[in-house]
Amino acid sequence: ETGVTQTPRHLVMGMTNKKSLKCEQHLGHNAMYWYKQSAKKPLELMFVYSLEERVENNSVPSRFSPECPNSSHLFLHLHTLQPEDSALYLCASSQDRRTGGISGYTFGSGTRLTVV
Amino acid sequence: QQQVKQSPQSLIVQKGGISIINCAYENTAFDYFPWYQQFPGKGPALLIAIRPDVSEKKEGRFTISFNKSAKQFSLHIMDSQPGDSATYFCAASGRGNTPLVFGKGTRLSVIA
Repeated sequence: ETGVTQTPRHLVMGMTNKKSLKCEQHLGHNAMYWYKQSAKKPLELMFVYSLEERVENNSVPSRFSPECPNSSHLFLHLHTLQPEDSALYLCASSQDRRTGGISGYTFGSGTRLTVV
Repeated sequence: QQQVKQSPQSLIVQKGGISIINCAYENTAFDYFPWYQQFPGKGPALLIAIRPDVSEKKEGRFTISFNKSAKQFSLHIMDSQPGDSATYFCAASGRGNTPLVFGKGTRLSVIA
C-alpha cells in the first residue's frame, strides 16, 4: 500500500444511482486530488483540495461532487452518471501541489467505475 | 489543448534493450518534469524527475534527457527488464501552485 487507500476498488452503478468514492491518507499531506483515468487519454485532473479547501475544479460536470471533511479524507459523490463516465478514478495526495515534494504525488490504486 | 504530448503510445522492447519514451511541451513556464510509472491495478508512482537547469539526470537504469530549446524531454531505460513492463507517464508543472499535468502515457512491454 502506498499510504493512500481508496474504496471501493470496483463499482458498478446504474445511471440513476447515487454512490460515493472514498479516499483516505495518513501521510500528513496538505493537498488531495481526484483524477480520472480513461484509456488513451491523459490523466485528467478533476478536483484539488488544499488544507480542506477546494482550490481547483476543472470544469467537471455537476454530477460529480467532491467533499473534503478533513485533511485525511476525500470523497467523490456520484449521481446520475453517464456510461462515458466509466473510468478509473484515482485519488492522490502530496505535500505540495506543484511538485508533490520529494516523493511526488502519492496515488491510491483507484476505483474502477462502470456505469451501466 | 494537450499541454504535454507523449509518444509512442505503446512500445515493445527486447530484454536487455533500451526503452525510449519522448515528451514535448509548449508552456515555457513549466520548470519541473517528472516521470511516473504505473503497474496494472496500481496508481502511478514517481520514478524520476528533472528541472531545466540540467540536461540529464540518471538514477540507476533510468535516465531523463532534457532539451530546453526544443522543449522536449525523454526517458531512457537501459538494460530493460520484464519487470519494467508498465505504463509510463511524463508530466510537467510550472510556477505557483499549479498541479502537475500528465501526458497520455506509454505502455511498455519488455519481452524475453
